[in-house]
Amino acid sequence: SQQGEEDPQALSIQEGENATMNCSYKTSINNLQWYRQNSGRGLVHLILIRSNEREKHSGRLRVTLDTSKKSSSLLITASRAADTASYFCATDDDYKLSFGAGTTVTVRA
Amino acid sequence: ETGVTQTPRHLVMGMTNKKSLKCEQHLGHNAMYWYKQSAKKPLELMFVYSLEERVENNSVPSRFSPECPNSSHLFLHLHTLQPEDSALYLCASSQDFLSRYNEKLFFGSGTQLSVL
Repeated sequence: SQQGEEDPQALSIQEGENATMNCSYKTSINNLQWYRQNSGRGLVHLILIRSNEREKHSGRLRVTLDTSKKSSSLLITASRAADTASYFCATDDDYKLSFGAGTTVTVRA
Repeated sequence: ETGVTQTPRHLVMGMTNKKSLKCEQHLGHNAMYWYKQSAKKPLELMFVYSLEERVENNSVPSRFSPECPNSSHLFLHLHTLQPEDSALYLCASSQDFLSRYNEKLFFGSGTQLSVL
């Protein structure tokens, strides 16, 4: 099954800076989702973008989707220490959600 | 609080033990899932139940045995595990089995399993 692949694997930024991470996938999708996971916890759904949408916002989050390049990006603006977590993209694959290995984001105070 | 509760949070077991992981969802969802998360690897989907019927079994070894007695509860029975089975086991639920209607998953906090 295909799965999203996040890039970079890890990212360290200063509080107040923006964080950008990317997701690439292989086959056509109906939607793409982003999740956050704090250390040792479960994943929490952040945002879903449909295949016919190009950009979506939710608070300090901005997600873009380029189906021609089979890629998506997640931007976190004005980062805070509480944004320290792993971020995963998930693509629907034959009615299942497939996850990548995630991007670990560390926000330094 | 996501509405999905997993117990225990941590479990250490020997290779000859038998234990069970429990998951309960309070969201009225119809589909429940078990995922395995190993360090630096993508999440692996293990089992899917929709309306208490198993609809997916991703070539998981028989030492993992799921049980879904009703739509709110999901168990994962473990026996004669191997050290490489050590991982975070996550339970999730969704309103319905993933369809074209853009389902999202609600996850529990997971059970951190260590097999000695």
